[in-house]
Amino acid sequence: EAQVTQNPRYLITVTGKKLTVTCSQNMNHEYMSWYRQDPGLGLRQIYYSMNVEVTDKGDVPEGYKVSRKEKRNFPLILESPSPNQTSLYFCASSLAAPNYGYTFGSGTRLTVV
Amino acid sequence: QQPVQSPQAVILREGEDAVINCSSSKALYSVHWYRQKHGEAPVFLMILLKGGEQKGHEKISASFNEKKQQSSLYLTASQLSYSGTYFCGKVGGAGGTSYGKLTFGQGTILTVHP
Repeated sequence: EAQVTQNPRYLITVTGKKLTVTCSQNMNHEYMSWYRQDPGLGLRQIYYSMNVEVTDKGDVPEGYKVSRKEKRNFPLILESPSPNQTSLYFCASSLAAPNYGYTFGSGTRLTVV
Repeated sequence: QQPVQSPQAVILREGEDAVINCSSSKALYSVHWYRQKHGEAPVFLMILLKGGEQKGHEKISASFNEKKQQSSLYLTASQLSYSGTYFCGKVGGAGGTSYGKLTFGQGTILTVHP
């Protein structure tokens, strides 16, 4: 089944403890992206990648890191999480984002205390 | 800059129609439309690439005006299953890596009652 898989689905962590949210897609998509969703603010893009080793900042990249060493994987790294990073996170992938839609993962609900 | 959606919320009875608008101050390369049901991930509905384009998806269709600065999503003869939040997304401008930059509007909450 074609899908984007994120793990974990739920995560509670403490301020400052490094964490990684994994994202993997099995559709051989070129583009991958991370979004966060907060009430009243909609979906905001954190980082995106157009191919292996090609990444760029979205609208809210501060406090996040990404890497794209393999085409299928695009992990999101929070090196020192803070409470304002408590949010619902979505990973998404697309064959070619300008001309094709994104397929979203199921989401990761992160709480930083 | 975020595209602007209107209205922010719509309440319908089954069988009624709705229009959701999405506008930008600059011409868009393409516009995407997504629907998100409560507690779920957004789901891609359609993409429009050309000025003047119209596209349909069952009873849900969309248009892109000639100047590519406005798109509208049309929901006809609404069903309970249409309830959710609808987002438009604009793709970043010319050249370079900005083609991967998909910026969403703030969303329109659509509620369909029996």
